Amino acid sequence: DAGVIQSPRHEVTEMGQEVTLRCKPISGHNSLFWYRQTMMRGLELLIYFNNNVPIDDSGMPEDRFSAKMPNASFSTLKIQPSEPRDSAVYFCASSLRLRAVNYGYTFGSGTRLTVV
Amino acid sequence: DAKTTQPNSMESNEEEPVHLPCNHSTISGTDYIHWYRQLPSQGPEYVIHGLTSNVNNRMASLAIAEDRKSSTLILHRATLRDAAVYYCILRDDMGTGANSKLTFGKGITLSVRP
Repeated sequence: DAGVIQSPRHEVTEMGQEVTLRCKPISGHNSLFWYRQTMMRGLELLIYFNNNVPIDDSGMPEDRFSAKMPNASFSTLKIQPSEPRDSAVYFCASSLRLRAVNYGYTFGSGTRLTVV
Repeated sequence: DAKTTQPNSMESNEEEPVHLPCNHSTISGTDYIHWYRQLPSQGPEYVIHGLTSNVNNRMASLAIAEDRKSSTLILHRATLRDAAVYYCILRDDMGTGANSKLTFGKGITLSVRP
């Protein structure tokens, strides 16, 4: 199993540009989570999906952020327009929810985003 | 969100056991105690979890107080590779609400001396 795969590993972009982060969850997992990590705020949950449906997006900071999960094997997190304060490491995680039990999360290696 | 309290940091010596404490006095009956760790420049990884009984796996042991208001993660022989931030998290493993998500606090930073 290749684990949760995120791309790109690093992204440097100019303020105002659109940024798209990608995630491939573990095959068979039906829940997907996007987290953001900064020194100031630590690890914050942005949004999560269950069976490809967004369940809770209360952590999404602003309308500039959007996330999609068009199928069980792919998700994107888009920032448009990007701002310097969006600079952070963005993690994707997946897990299994089966028979009303939530199992452990597997995290990807993250995307380090720098907005200049 | 259910809350946990951990020391900011701890130091240990290589090859010695390490006991990482966690207080969770407001734990509810449906909350499981989860431990994750984050090695430098990596995403968090699952370590262990439990509800009431002590748990052992290849990575660590989890000792849970009888009243469940505290727990201790035990690394039996620390290695340099165990230097990481360790997060103690409460989660309702059977629920669908806010407490069913993994909410990370600041964790405890473990340093291992050679």
